[in-house]
Amino acid sequence: DTEVTQTPKHLVMGMTNKKSLKCEQHMGHRAMYWYKQKAKKPPELMFVYSYEKLSINESVPSRFSPECPNSSLLNLHLHALQPEDSALYLCASSQGGAGAQNEQFFGPGTRLTVL
Amino acid sequence: GESVGLHLPTLSVQEGDNSIINCAYSNSASDYFIWYKQESGKGPQFIIDIRSNMDKRQGQRVTVLLNKTVKHLSLQIAATQPGDSAVYFCAGWGQAGTALIFGKGTTLSVSS
Repeated sequence: DTEVTQTPKHLVMGMTNKKSLKCEQHMGHRAMYWYKQKAKKPPELMFVYSYEKLSINESVPSRFSPECPNSSLLNLHLHALQPEDSALYLCASSQGGAGAQNEQFFGPGTRLTVL
Repeated sequence: GESVGLHLPTLSVQEGDNSIINCAYSNSASDYFIWYKQESGKGPQFIIDIRSNMDKRQGQRVTVLLNKTVKHLSLQIAATQPGDSAVYFCAGWGQAGTALIFGKGTTLSVSS
């Protein structure tokens, strides 16, 4: 299995809702990442998990809360989002920990719309 | 500081032509580079990578060139096809080795 999967593909939520994005990989990768991508822009790093521990938080607002329940799963919990948080949320993984400079494999993304 | 960027936001070519997409980087983002292709509605897809101890690497119809003297890398696509139409990002690992830094992206349009 050489895929990173993400669910759901699309999500529409109100500003008072609580929702979660899920990411899964079975490649044995020990680094997992969340990126946010706005239209016609490059992906922007949000969080990095290395060996299931949060190693980088790029000053992301607390309304985004990551969680790594095990080495294959990565969640992003959403609460009280703003319309400007609407974007494509990408998950990625790479071999070794976050400090190992290896190819990152990306999932297809979750298209989030906040009303 | 760390930065990775591309020279041109768009590139239009005819089917069958060779395409060259360029990327420049600053001093500290200099250890390892990846080219990604992103089609509409999809996540970035790995194309080819190169480490700083190499100056050229070839894949299937793609070649990446790294010029460390002028801090420039390029992606060459041979015999470009309509299916190559996408946004192409270069990305580099900074010397801090903490995360990939993405360039702004070049939209490649291939007309038949």
